[in-house]
Amino acid sequence: ETGVTQSPTHLIKTRGQQVTLRCSSQSGHNTVSWYQQALGQGPQFIFQYYREEENGRGNFPPRFSGLQFPNYSSELNVNALELDDSALYLCASSLGQDRNTEAFFGQGTRLTVV
Amino acid sequence: EDQVTQSPEALRLQEGESSSLNCSYTVSGLRGLFWYRQDPGKGPEFLFTLYSAGEEKEKERLKATLTKKESFLHITAPKPEDSATYLCAPVGGNKLTFGTGTQLKVEL
Repeated sequence: ETGVTQSPTHLIKTRGQQVTLRCSSQSGHNTVSWYQQALGQGPQFIFQYYREEENGRGNFPPRFSGLQFPNYSSELNVNALELDDSALYLCASSLGQDRNTEAFFGQGTRLTVV
Repeated sequence: EDQVTQSPEALRLQEGESSSLNCSYTVSGLRGLFWYRQDPGKGPEFLFTLYSAGEEKEKERLKATLTKKESFLHITAPKPEDSATYLCAPVGGNKLTFGTGTQLKVEL
């Protein structure tokens, strides 16, 4: 059984650029959630995808968008990067769209915007 | 608005010195609460799910308990490898809210 994997592990971008982060879900899971974690804070929910459809969104602007593919892997896209977007981006996979189901996290992508 | 408060923010223990971490929450329609462990620069590692008040779960030196307003993570005879940030996340309705965590350091 493979766990959740994210790529890349680290990334440096310039303000105003666009970035795509990738996540492969754990085998057998059909739901992917994305979180943003600033230094010293808890993860903040961005959105969730269940069977290729967005299934809930947190308080993030539309320049944060995502996709889920038929194999349940997922992408997080962020347009017009701002300095405050610098954070650890976490992907979590689970089985089913219910939020009280255990979710398993990847190691994260550290994004730095300069 | 759902609120989660974890205390203390940081805790330093000697090896073998037991203690408890607190997670207080105000959520609508609690449906469960998760505990995760997070090492620096890594993703959170799942520890426990608690679904109802009075429920307890144990794993090695850790025991999690749940009441209607708070959850505790008890650490018995901790070891240096237990050093990490411990995050709680109650689920209210269909919304998961993480606390800011308790940073635990266990020293020899």
